[in-house]
Amino acid sequence: GAGVSQSPSNKVTEKGKDVELRCDPISGHTALYWYRQSLGQGLEFLIYFQGNSAPDKSGLPSDRFSAERTGGSVSTLTIQRTQQEDSAVYLCASSLGASGLYEQYFGPGTRLTVT
Amino acid sequence: DAKTTQPPSMDCAEGRAANLPCNHSTISGNEYVYWYRQIHSQGPQYIIHGLKNNETNEMASLIITEDRKSSTLILPHATLRDTAVYYCIVSGRPDTGRRALTFGSGTRLQVQP
Repeated sequence: GAGVSQSPSNKVTEKGKDVELRCDPISGHTALYWYRQSLGQGLEFLIYFQGNSAPDKSGLPSDRFSAERTGGSVSTLTIQRTQQEDSAVYLCASSLGASGLYEQYFGPGTRLTVT
Repeated sequence: DAKTTQPPSMDCAEGRAANLPCNHSTISGNEYVYWYRQIHSQGPQYIIHGLKNNETNEMASLIITEDRKSSTLILPHATLRDTAVYYCIVSGRPDTGRRALTFGSGTRLQVQP
């Protein structure tokens, strides 16, 4: 079946502009996660959704970052007034939610470059 | 989540078994060991997870020591396509709070022809 998809695959933006990154999780997966990976670094957790609510936003680096999820499916990560340090690959993952142990399935990522 | 320690890099000959170690000496009783890998320019891929028993699936085997302070991921017949960064992650049950995975630096496995 279809995996996690993300769009755009690449985004180049000027410093100070706003950007929106989209994630389409696997159908039926109620949990959705956003991570980012700077060049040569490990993954950094940003935010987690269970359904449309976000019980864990602890990884968002500043108030310029926000995310929403609608209909328990698609999620959008918005970065306002982008800075050069925001340049990274933004990865989305989804998993079956509720209780139990489920692996996370990752999308291919969006490579964001802030010039 | 418990901290993990992995060697930064390893080499393995194609067709041979790759044994990737991970130390997690501070693991608590309800924490699981997960392994993911990340092939260059792709998102991470789940491999396997376990609590205290050894586990095997179509991709790999996971051997966890009796005291649970360390584990080894085994790729039985490594191929060139197994070249990737392998992450060992310790995390609690998803229904006990924070469900995000904490990725460390991982082990860069290079499979040699």
